[in-house]
Amino acid sequence: AQSVTQPDIHITVSEGASLELRCNYSYGATPYLFWYVQSPGQGLQLLLKYFSGDTLVQGIKGFEAEFKRSQSSFNLRKPSVHWSDAAEYFCAVGANPPGSARQLTFGSGTQLTVLP
Amino acid sequence: SAVISQKPSRDICQRGTSLTIQCQVDSQVTMMFWYRQQPGQSLTLIATANQGSEATYESGFVIDKFPISRPNLTFSTLTVSNMSPEDSSIYLCSVEVGGNTGELFFGEGSRLTVL
Repeated sequence: AQSVTQPDIHITVSEGASLELRCNYSYGATPYLFWYVQSPGQGLQLLLKYFSGDTLVQGIKGFEAEFKRSQSSFNLRKPSVHWSDAAEYFCAVGANPPGSARQLTFGSGTQLTVLP
Repeated sequence: SAVISQKPSRDICQRGTSLTIQCQVDSQVTMMFWYRQQPGQSLTLIATANQGSEATYESGFVIDKFPISRPNLTFSTLTVSNMSPEDSSIYLCSVEVGGNTGELFFGEGSRLTVL
């Protein structure tokens, strides 16, 4: 069975600083990988996804993530954080080839606080 | 993409009562998904709602507790029955766009507090 670990429950960074959120997965082959963001009082929004090909994927809002097979990781990065990035971030892993969203497993989330 | 509207956005309920959450999508979709997000926890899939057939429930969730309707391709409801404080959660409706990709669009969620 697949699983996702987000080791950091809460991260605090200053506005303008760089950010890296960690995500490790367990899956028998190359999975489908996602990062979602949940702003306060909102549903989840897809930031980016990795299906195949280039291991560095670009997403919305200036985020990127790098798939590292050797480390079973899919860390999310942003070079300069904005106050509006304060939110909860969820990593998710899906089966490859995809069946449906029933096969998605979400991590426990990382809460990001941005200091002025 | 898809725009999803959920009602109510939040509610406070008494133990033993039931509440129905509505989910409206701005386009026709085959499957709609209902998730639960307990305080400080990640998302857990409750069930998948297909139009014209019984919903498919995940392990640990049963139809008597979480009955689901799917009358057409743009609408679904989730009822939380005989609520207890343990049912206090955010309930999220979502749809998968673009086929079986795992790429989900979510509603804003319904935050339920059970006293």
